[in-house]
Amino acid sequence: DVKVTQSSRYLVKRTGEKVFLECVQDMDHENMFWYRQDPGLGLRLIYFSYDVKMKEKGDIPEGYSVSREKKERFSLILESASTNQTSMYLCASSFLRSNSPLHFGNGTRLTVT
Amino acid sequence: GQQVMQIPQYQHVQEGEDFTTYCNSSTTLSNIQWYKQRPGGHPVFLIQLVKSGEVKKQKRLTFQFGEAKKNSSLHITATQTTDVGTYFCAYTSGTYKYIFGTGTRLKVLA
Repeated sequence: DVKVTQSSRYLVKRTGEKVFLECVQDMDHENMFWYRQDPGLGLRLIYFSYDVKMKEKGDIPEGYSVSREKKERFSLILESASTNQTSMYLCASSFLRSNSPLHFGNGTRLTVT
Repeated sequence: GQQVMQIPQYQHVQEGEDFTTYCNSSTTLSNIQWYKQRPGGHPVFLIQLVKSGEVKKQKRLTFQFGEAKKNSSLHITATQTTDVGTYFCAYTSGTYKYIFGTGTRLKVLA
C-alpha cells in the first residue's frame, strides 16, 4: 500500500515565523503535490513537482515555496507565516503517467496566531 | 477555465436511503476519478472511469461515466453511517494536472 507521511498532524505557529511542512512517500512516485483545503474553497493546489529539484507553481503559490532534494521527499515552506495561511495542508503523490490516481497524506492542520 | 461542477453541495439522508452525487463538465474529459474524505481525514481514491458509458461497482457504490464523457455520477444504495464524508470527483489533464470538483458532503442520520 502507498504511504504518504506528513511530519506533523497539528502545528501552531506565530505570525512571521518560518514554517516547514515535510512530506515523504514510499512508492517511488515521480509527482508530488501540496494542496490546502479550506471550508467552502475545496482543494487548491499550491505547488507541485514532477522530478527532483523540479517545481511548478499551482493556483495559489504566493507566500509559499517548496523544496524537492530527494525523490521521496517534498517540503512546503512558509517563508513568513501569516494568519490567512491557517489551513489544512495536504500532501499527495502520483506516478508520472496519465490517469494516475493521487495518494494523499493524513494532512497537517496549521494554525497561525 | 477548467472546472467541474459537483452537485449537490450537501445531502442529508436517513440511514438506508439511497444517495447520488453528480459531476458535470462543459468539456469532454479523459477520465473521472472519485475520492472519499471522511470527517477529519484525507481524500482517499475510490475508483477511476475512462471509457464512455462505463459503469463500475464497489459493493453498494455504483459509478457511472456519461456517454459523452462530460458527466459522472456516484450512487450509494442503502446508505450506512460509515458512508459519511465528502465525495469528490476529479479528472486529470496531462500527467500532473488534477481538477477537483467542489465535493458533496454526505451526512447519514441513524
